[in-house]
Amino acid sequence: SQKIEQNSEALNIQEGKTATLTCNYTNYSPAYLQWYRQDPGRGPVFLLLIRENEKEKRKERLKVTFDTTLKQSLFHITASQPADSATYLCALPSSGTYKYIFGTGTRLKVLA
Amino acid sequence: DAEITQSPRHKITETGRQVTLACHQTWNHNNMFWYRQDLGHGLRLIHYSYGVHDTNKGEVSDGYSVSRSNTEDLPLTLESAASSQTSVYFCASSETTGVAGEKLFFGSGTQLSVL
Repeated sequence: SQKIEQNSEALNIQEGKTATLTCNYTNYSPAYLQWYRQDPGRGPVFLLLIRENEKEKRKERLKVTFDTTLKQSLFHITASQPADSATYLCALPSSGTYKYIFGTGTRLKVLA
Repeated sequence: DAEITQSPRHKITETGRQVTLACHQTWNHNNMFWYRQDLGHGLRLIHYSYGVHDTNKGEVSDGYSVSRSNTEDLPLTLESAASSQTSVYFCASSETTGVAGEKLFFGSGTQLSVL
């Protein structure tokens, strides 16, 4: 069955550093992948989408890569700030439909 | 501004009771989804709908039902609440653009406790 893995352990980094989060998947060849941000007590909020023919996508301080050979996406936040502290989820489409499978998320804490 | 709202935000109920969680969106989206979120499991899909009168089961649908009588609402019913259904429930919606990759818009969630 389709499976998504994100590092369930929290990631603590110093302000100003680059945070890198990993999303690995198996038994799957998605045409695209999404990243969401979730703050405590709130629903996830869409950040970025990257398609299989795009190796890299950027939005302000965010960068996402998509390696279909490794079956992995990396999510980078450069010049991180305490306000970037949140849980970040990756999501893949489920078998050509409008529904998505989510990873468990990685909690990021940026220390001032 | 368009939005998606869930109610109630918090609910405590007893085992065996029927519970309905509301989800209302003003995006005019065709697609609506219910997820539950638990530690160690992430978001898991319960039910979903691609339009009025359309409903489909997700990966954890046992004990839950939905109905879609209009575009704006997709209520989730727990027919006989069980302690295993204690969770945070999220409703989401997305539009149908014909281009794959439509993003999901989530509500703020309902924290349900079944005692």
